Amino acid sequence: NAGVTQTPKFQVLKTGQSMTLQCAQDMNHEYMSWYRQDPGMGLRLIHYSVGAGITDQGEVPNGYNVSRSTTEDFPLRLLSAAPSQTSVYFCASSYSIQPSSYNEQFFGPGTRLTVL
Amino acid sequence: AQKVTQAQTEISVVEKEDVTLDCVYETRDTTYYLFWYKQPPSGELVFLIRRNSFDEQNEISGRYSWNFQKSTSSFNFTITASQVVDSAVYFCALSELYSGGSNYKLTFGKGTLLTVNP
Repeated sequence: NAGVTQTPKFQVLKTGQSMTLQCAQDMNHEYMSWYRQDPGMGLRLIHYSVGAGITDQGEVPNGYNVSRSTTEDFPLRLLSAAPSQTSVYFCASSYSIQPSSYNEQFFGPGTRLTVL
Repeated sequence: AQKVTQAQTEISVVEKEDVTLDCVYETRDTTYYLFWYKQPPSGELVFLIRRNSFDEQNEISGRYSWNFQKSTSSFNFTITASQVVDSAVYFCALSELYSGGSNYKLTFGKGTLLTVNP
């Protein structure tokens, strides 16, 4: 299994540009989520999905869109990038949303995004 | 108020010293989970431990040990005989019910940067 994969690893955008951060998992996990990591802020939840066709907002959803058309993929879209969205983005997945003893959350390697 | 507080922003120790990373959490749920993750300089997040709210037994895994105390809402992490490879940012996280009780949300602390010097 490849686990959770994210592309690209690095990206530089200009203010106002749009782009999609890709996230895929091959573990047949129902629950997927996106976090952003900023210096001194820890990781903050942007959006999450409990299954194909179901998404919901997290703590910091503004400026981001998501969709979940398949179990495997959970792309994050920036419609009009802003410098405040400069961050490292992590995608995560787990078997279900309930953090039981057998339900570890797996993180992707991260995407480092810079918006100029 | 922060849900997960890691009061130590940075810690620097010399190799072979013991070091404890503090984590204090806040929740109204009776069922919740606590986690520790390690983020080495390479940037990936490495899962270290999960503990549910009904299990207050301390856990030891090699040089790592965790002390969970519900009475003080703390879940501290100790590294014994630290090594240079332990240098990383360590995150404590809390998973509790969210969105009116239908979903779980993972909330991270701001992290503690541990530097182990040779």
